[in-house]
Amino acid sequence: EPEVTQTPSHQVTQMGQEVILRCVPISNHLYFYWYRQILGQKVEFLVSFYNNEISEKSEIFDDQFSVERPDGSNFTLKIRSTKLEDSAMYFCASSEALWEEQFFGPGTRLTVL
Amino acid sequence: EDQVTQSPEALRLQEGESSSLNCSYTVSGLRGLFWYRQDPGKGPEFLFTLYSAGEEKEKERLKATLTKKESFLHITAPKPEDSATYLCAVPSGGYQKVTFGIGTKLQVIP
Repeated sequence: EPEVTQTPSHQVTQMGQEVILRCVPISNHLYFYWYRQILGQKVEFLVSFYNNEISEKSEIFDDQFSVERPDGSNFTLKIRSTKLEDSAMYFCASSEALWEEQFFGPGTRLTVL
Repeated sequence: EDQVTQSPEALRLQEGESSSLNCSYTVSGLRGLFWYRQDPGKGPEFLFTLYSAGEEKEKERLKATLTKKESFLHITAPKPEDSATYLCAVPSGGYQKVTFGIGTKLQVIP
């Protein structure tokens, strides 16, 4: 069964460093998303991506964040200068069409020291 | 502002004791409602999509229903392996954004 994969599973970084989180969405899906979940809190939308551009983003997704689909399979989230409050689980998701169910990856746990 | 509220936040059931989880939503123009299951440290696992009031979907011991203002996830004769957090979510904002509720943490005791 096709699934969304994410690497790494756990990333530890120093405050101020750049990190890149990687995702491989399901191959025939057209919509891609990033979410984050701070420990004990709700899953929060960060950004959606369609047709090689950002289609919607939340207020959390400020200039420190960027997304890219560098080739036909990978989808990345970059945080330019990490802050302590960026520590969270980051989930990638993909869907076949708009308003259809999104399938989530296993997540990357980001720890900023 | 679009909102999703789930209750209760935590629920403890004996194995075989049926119950229901509630999800109430405030969104302009419902474009669907999703139920997910999340195990600790894992990504949400898709369960159901409901699109219109009156719709019902079933999967094993779970049945999801939808009205104009809320959705219910009914769990019949739960087993310990049903223990997880159950999340409700709706498309909102420009509709590519999905707003999640805080979830109901279900514990089923043998």
